[in-house]
Parts: sequence; C-alpha cells; structure tokens
Amino acid sequence: DAGVIQSPRHEVTEMGQEVTLRCKPISGHNSLFWYRQTMMRGLELLIYFNNNVPIDDSGMPEDRFSAKMPNASFSTLKIQPSEPRDSAVYFCASSLVTGLARGSYNEQFFGPGTRLTVL
Amino acid sequence: AQSVAQPEDQVNVAEGNPLTVKCTYSVSGNPYLFWYVQYPNRGLQFLLKYITGDNLVKGSYGFEAEFNKSQTSFHLKKPSALVSDSALYFCAVRGHAGNNRKLIWGLGTSLAVNP
Repeated sequence: DAGVIQSPRHEVTEMGQEVTLRCKPISGHNSLFWYRQTMMRGLELLIYFNNNVPIDDSGMPEDRFSAKMPNASFSTLKIQPSEPRDSAVYFCASSLVTGLARGSYNEQFFGPGTRLTVL
Repeated sequence: AQSVAQPEDQVNVAEGNPLTVKCTYSVSGNPYLFWYVQYPNRGLQFLLKYITGDNLVKGSYGFEAEFNKSQTSFHLKKPSALVSDSALYFCAVRGHAGNNRKLIWGLGTSLAVNP
C-alpha cells in the first residue's frame, strides 16, 4: 500500500494567490482528516470527513479555507486568498472506522505533508 | 472539555537508559489514548493505543505505555533508549461519547537520545 499521498510536497506562493493542496487517502479508509502544524500552535485539526461528508469543520480558521471530498479517494484543501500567516505544514490523514460501535476506533495514518510558504 | 497535556517540551536521555515521555488527559467517560512519533520532515506515525483491557499497552519499536485511570495519565516508556528514537512524540485522546472522530492532541515532546 502506498499510504496516504499528498501533493505537492512543497509550495511557495505569493500573498493573495490561491493554493490547493491534494490528498489521496489509503484505499478502503472511510475517514479523512486535514491538519495544520506550526511551531507556535502545534498540530491543529482543521476539518474531518466521514464517508466523504464533512463532520466537523470547527478548526477551519476562516472563510478563506475550504475543503472538499468529492469521492472516497480524493480530497482538497483550498486557501483563497493565501496570507503569510498560513505558512505551515499541512497534513492529511486517513483511518478506518469499522462499524458503528463506539469501540471501533482505529489509528490515523498520516501523509508526508505539504510545506506551504506564503511570501 | 477534552484536553491533553504533555508537561515536558523536551526530554533528554542517554542511550541505553530507560525513557519516559509524560502525558495526562481530561475526558468525559472512558478515553481512547494514542501515541504518535514524528521524525524530521515526516508525517506522524502511529506507535500504540489504549482502547480497553490491559492497562499496559505494547507498541512499535519497543515502546509501551501504561494507562493509569486514577492519575489520568498515559506515559510512554521504553526500557533502553536508542539514538534513533530521537524525534517528536505526540499524545492524543478522544472520549467514547458520541460519534465525533476528532482526536485532541498534545503539543508534543521532543526526545533527544544522546550517544
């Protein structure tokens, strides 16, 4: 299995430009998570999907951020317009939640991340 | 509200010595607890988890963690540290209540193992 795939690995852009980050989760996983990691705030959950449906987007910083999951094998995180304070490493993770029982919770598998620099 | 605390920003230990990375949590009901490791310029990797059952959980790379309900702790341990264990370690928790899949993450502890 190739694991969680993210692209691009590095992105350098200028303030005001649109940025799109992409994620392919592990095949068969039904939950997908977008995280942001910075030195100042550590690891922050931005949004997560279950069966392609956004469940909790309370971590999305503001309306400039949006995320979609059109199918089970692809998700995007878009920032428009980007600002220098958006510079961070963005991680995508996926997991398999088996059944509806509350005990059925499996670990998350992380992608390698996208390092975003907004100048 | 759910929370996780990793009280030490950095832990230094000599190679061959035992190591402990501390984690305490606050959650309603019984917790799910996790440890992840992050090597430089990499994504997080799962180490181990506690869901239910035996309080001592064994995981990858010789790591283990002990769930202590009375102290609301889940410290990560290894009997003999390796230089290659140097990395950033994250503790995470979620409660059993509801269907929210969201994990609450600690800020991480940087482990440095000195040769």
